[in-house]
Amino acid sequence: AQKITQTQPGMFVQEKEAVTLDCTYDTSDPSYGLFWYKQPSSGEMIFLIYQGSYDQQNATEGRYSLNFQKARKSANLVISASQLGDSAMYFCAMRELPSSGAGSYQLTFGKGTKLSVIP
Amino acid sequence: GAVVSQHPSRVICKSGTSVKIECRSLDFQATTMFWYRQFPKQSLMLMATSNEGSKATYEQGVEKDKFLINHASLTLSTLTVTSAHPEDSSFYICSASQPYSNQPQHFGDGTRLSIL
Repeated sequence: AQKITQTQPGMFVQEKEAVTLDCTYDTSDPSYGLFWYKQPSSGEMIFLIYQGSYDQQNATEGRYSLNFQKARKSANLVISASQLGDSAMYFCAMRELPSSGAGSYQLTFGKGTKLSVIP
Repeated sequence: GAVVSQHPSRVICKSGTSVKIECRSLDFQATTMFWYRQFPKQSLMLMATSNEGSKATYEQGVEKDKFLINHASLTLSTLTVTSAHPEDSSFYICSASQPYSNQPQHFGDGTRLSIL
């Protein structure tokens, strides 16, 4: 079963408008972290925003905010005031924490959403 | 500036050649690094977890004899694609993170490998 589900293969948004990219996750672990990465056509993975499972408030980083609904297991990325440079693939990822509290932290990625910003 | 450096960024070589890709953690000591493979228009697929001073942990279906991983120091992990064939052509990308839950994995810029 998929641990991270991104149901939108592609999205279009008008420049300067806001857009929401969906992400749902599946885990039975109470401690986990959720990440969003941007991958432009050049290939590099750019970290955007992080949400911890115990965080009380939704994470925000500039034009990026995360709509975290824990009961629904969703962590949607909201990009405000879209810019042409926002056109890229966006990946949602989850990190589950080992019970020991330390060690390697693997990321599980969703299939991604391709965002195209229209001038 | 870059936190993780990956070289080379692009490799084109003949079938049968072995190719080494380096991944360096620039700002912190990384006891663990990760190697991913990404096919066009697909997500990242974890190939293996590289552990400093010990053997790498490979994901199911990844041939450890084909993809040799060495993590000899806290700042360097290498992936060697041995006797590469056209089906090994792909985008390979590494990452490193500090061992704290709220720290993101920092990725290298990736290596586009093309085997002729």
